[in-house]
Amino acid sequence: AQTVTQSQPEMSVQEAETVTLSCTYDTSESDYYLFWYKQPPSRQMILVIRQEAYKQQNATENRFSVNFQKAAKSFSLKISDSQLGDAAMYFCAYRSALRTSYDKVIFGPGTSLSVIP
Amino acid sequence: DGGITQSPKYLFRKEGQNVTLSCEQNLNHDAMYWYRQDPGQGLRLIYYSQIVNDFQKGDIAEGYSVSREKKESFPLTVTSAQKNPTAFYLCASSRPGGYGYTFGSGTRLTVV
Repeated sequence: AQTVTQSQPEMSVQEAETVTLSCTYDTSESDYYLFWYKQPPSRQMILVIRQEAYKQQNATENRFSVNFQKAAKSFSLKISDSQLGDAAMYFCAYRSALRTSYDKVIFGPGTSLSVIP
Repeated sequence: DGGITQSPKYLFRKEGQNVTLSCEQNLNHDAMYWYRQDPGQGLRLIYYSQIVNDFQKGDIAEGYSVSREKKESFPLTVTSAQKNPTAFYLCASSRPGGYGYTFGSGTRLTVV
């Protein structure tokens, strides 16, 4: 079974600085999708960025980018120019690409990010 | 606009009562999911459904029940058999392929 690990329960970053959140996963599959979700204090889950495992190019969305290392099974999230609104819980997630999969997304335990003014 | 609507936002339950949480989507998604989130914790899957009239247990289904009579609706009933129901409940839906979930805004259930 696939697992997702986030080894940093809490992190903090100074406003306007850059922070990297770590995520590792375990799978025997070669084709899958990886996601980062953000959950602000409102508790609304928001999709931040998505990566397809068969693409070597790292995904980017404005100030958010990932470092996808398939061989190492690592998927870190970099937030540049951190803003107060980035303060949230961040979840790393995995989804199999197998047609037999029922499309369940597996979530990591989350990293709580604080932004210091 | 398309999305997922969860209601109510806050729900209080007395000991021994069953309560039903509503989840409706107008995204035309086939799959729907219910997750439970405890304070400071990740998401745990309760039930999921890929098509109408079919659903499967997730990792923590005991004390919960669901139905899927319509594609748009996936209500979750928290029964009196659930010993510790106080939690935040999230409903999600998805379409096939490498897309993530679309989430509702959640229901906060408290046992009083």
